[in-house]
Amino acid sequence: GQQLNQSPQSMFIQEGEDVSMNCTSSSIFNTWLWYKQDPGEGPVLLIALYKAGELTSNGRLTAQFGITRKDSFLNISASIPSDVGIYFCAGLRRGGSNYKLTFGKGTLLTVNP
Amino acid sequence: GAVVSQHPSWVICKSGTSVKIECRSLDFQATTMFWYRQFPKQSLMLMATSNEGSKATYEQGVEKDKFLINHASLTLSTLTVTSAHPEDSSFYICSASHPVSGANVLTFGAGSRLTVL
Repeated sequence: GQQLNQSPQSMFIQEGEDVSMNCTSSSIFNTWLWYKQDPGEGPVLLIALYKAGELTSNGRLTAQFGITRKDSFLNISASIPSDVGIYFCAGLRRGGSNYKLTFGKGTLLTVNP
Repeated sequence: GAVVSQHPSWVICKSGTSVKIECRSLDFQATTMFWYRQFPKQSLMLMATSNEGSKATYEQGVEKDKFLINHASLTLSTLTVTSAHPEDSSFYICSASHPVSGANVLTFGAGSRLTVL
């Protein structure tokens, strides 16, 4: 199946620092999505990217859809303690009327106050 | 915004019993819903695609007779874990597709934690 390589696996940072994580794939995706998951909860959508090269911001979050459609990055600026959680990238690929979402393995973010 | 509700949030059952998990789209219609399973400290793995009015499409390695999926209406899909065993203990998450700016985005439920004793 399709694989998404997400890095880093985990990060330990101080409050106020910026964070960057990325995903790469050997396959092209139509849409890239970034989710955050808190313990015991389902993933919550942070940013959706629909076009190659697209750069989108959501508050302190910025994400880009790579020009080759095979990669994406997520930046978090001025981190705060509530940013703690697992961040997942996900690629959406369409095939006719069907589509499938493939997840990266996640980046565990810890923010020290 | 779009909301997906899952019920129950957690369930504990004895080995050999069956458990049903419901996934509802509360404010939109979803012709397609997806069921994922997530083990501790791992990513979400797609189990099956649930299609309203037709049979579900299962991913390779997922037993369709063990994980029964029914998508009887445009707002409800159910996952039944039949004859559950301890190795079926996991976090089960559903999602539903809805259009945003002309593209499809998946919204996830809060998950259902199954513990089989």
